[in-house]
Amino acid sequence: DVQLTQSPSFLSASLGDRVTITCRASQGISDYLAWYQQESGKAPKLLIYAASTLHSGVPSRFSGSGFGSDFTLTISTLQPEDVATYYCQQLNSFPFTFGPGTRVDIK
Amino acid sequence: QITLKESGPTLVKPTQTLTLTCTLSGFSIKSDAVGVGWIRQTPGKALEWLGFIYWDGDERYSPSLKTRVSISEDTSKNQVVLTMTNMDPVDTGTYFCARLSYGDYGLAEFWGQGTLVTVSS
Repeated sequence: DVQLTQSPSFLSASLGDRVTITCRASQGISDYLAWYQQESGKAPKLLIYAASTLHSGVPSRFSGSGFGSDFTLTISTLQPEDVATYYCQQLNSFPFTFGPGTRVDIK
Repeated sequence: QITLKESGPTLVKPTQTLTLTCTLSGFSIKSDAVGVGWIRQTPGKALEWLGFIYWDGDERYSPSLKTRVSISEDTSKNQVVLTMTNMDPVDTGTYFCARLSYGDYGLAEFWGQGTLVTVSS
């Protein structure tokens, strides 16, 4: 199975800050990477797929980049509604493993 | 509007078989050429794939669970059913079904709200 690691596991930032989360794959996965947002008590929601393509309806302050084994999710201006846990997922090979998550909070 | 909703027992005993149903609305697997997957979230393993079924009959299961998990489709009711045998307390968690993309294989575009399953005697 492809293993995914995320860093940091938790971050606390101020409103309006730029936030960056990284995801690293145990082997090259091209751009077969997605990002999900999960608010407390809710189901995950798709944010980004193919490493950098924004899912329909997702605010433009979210962006993704990367290729191969290193990827990033960036929130350009942190908003109160962005408090959530963020997961990366690889779609290169089944099982389509998820990362352990990064919890984002407001300072 | 695309929605999915999981239903089934909230409590099962160890060694019992769990059956969960995912009711699809706003789409069907065959006519939209998509898939439906089952993913669970447990305290110990975060988000974990159980398996999926695609419109063309492609069916896959997590290697660690493939002897216990099966997924089937009831086209007449527009439902997808997950069956998991020999349940254990470590299987306690929230079980989600999700619609999988046509173009990006395995991409979970839309999720159900999830259903919490507790395994306890």
